[in-house]
Amino acid sequence: GNSVTQMEGPVTLSEEAFLTINCTYTATGYPSLFWYVQYPGEGLQLLLKATKADDKGSNKGFEATYRKETTSFHLEKGSVQVSDSAVYFCALSDLLKTSYDKVIFGPGTSLSVIP
Amino acid sequence: DADVTQTPRNRITKTGKRIMLECSQTKGHDRMYWYRQDPGLGLRLIYYSFDVKDINKGEISDGYSVSRQAQAKFSLSLESAIPNQTALYFCATSDLPLAGETDTQYFGPGTRLTVL
Repeated sequence: GNSVTQMEGPVTLSEEAFLTINCTYTATGYPSLFWYVQYPGEGLQLLLKATKADDKGSNKGFEATYRKETTSFHLEKGSVQVSDSAVYFCALSDLLKTSYDKVIFGPGTSLSVIP
Repeated sequence: DADVTQTPRNRITKTGKRIMLECSQTKGHDRMYWYRQDPGLGLRLIYYSFDVKDINKGEISDGYSVSRQAQAKFSLSLESAIPNQTALYFCATSDLPLAGETDTQYFGPGTRLTVL
């Protein structure tokens, strides 16, 4: 079945450091890939998404590229801020399913950015 | 005002009690979902509904039931709560995706449930 694997963390970085959170997936079809972010005390919100191979999703300085050859969708940001402290979830949704294309979430990666 | 609201935000209850968690949305979406979040496990789908007359089990529906009272309301019930149902519960909504697209889900703020 479909699955998502991501580094669990916690990840602690200094402000302005470079961020990478790894995400790899297993899927039988042609999934869309997502990164969701959960700020403390809040629900998840979509950060970015990519719907086909080689697409790059980007938002708020974060980027992720859909790599079909390595089945990966790593999240990157060049210079993190304290306000980026949150839990980040990689997720996939398989468009080929004729029934509901359930979104499958990874376990989440906690990021703490210190001044 | 928030598009997806959940009540209560926090609840402590005892084993064997019946609990209802409520979700309301103002986004006009037909699709609604209930997830639970446990540390290290991400989110797992409990139930989902594509319209008022459509209810489907997710991957962990045992011990839970739902009711879709209206397009905007989707409630989750624990008929007889047990301690391993202690978790953070999220409601989410989504719209019918366009052809070739996939739906983006919009989450409520969550309900933290503790079963003693």
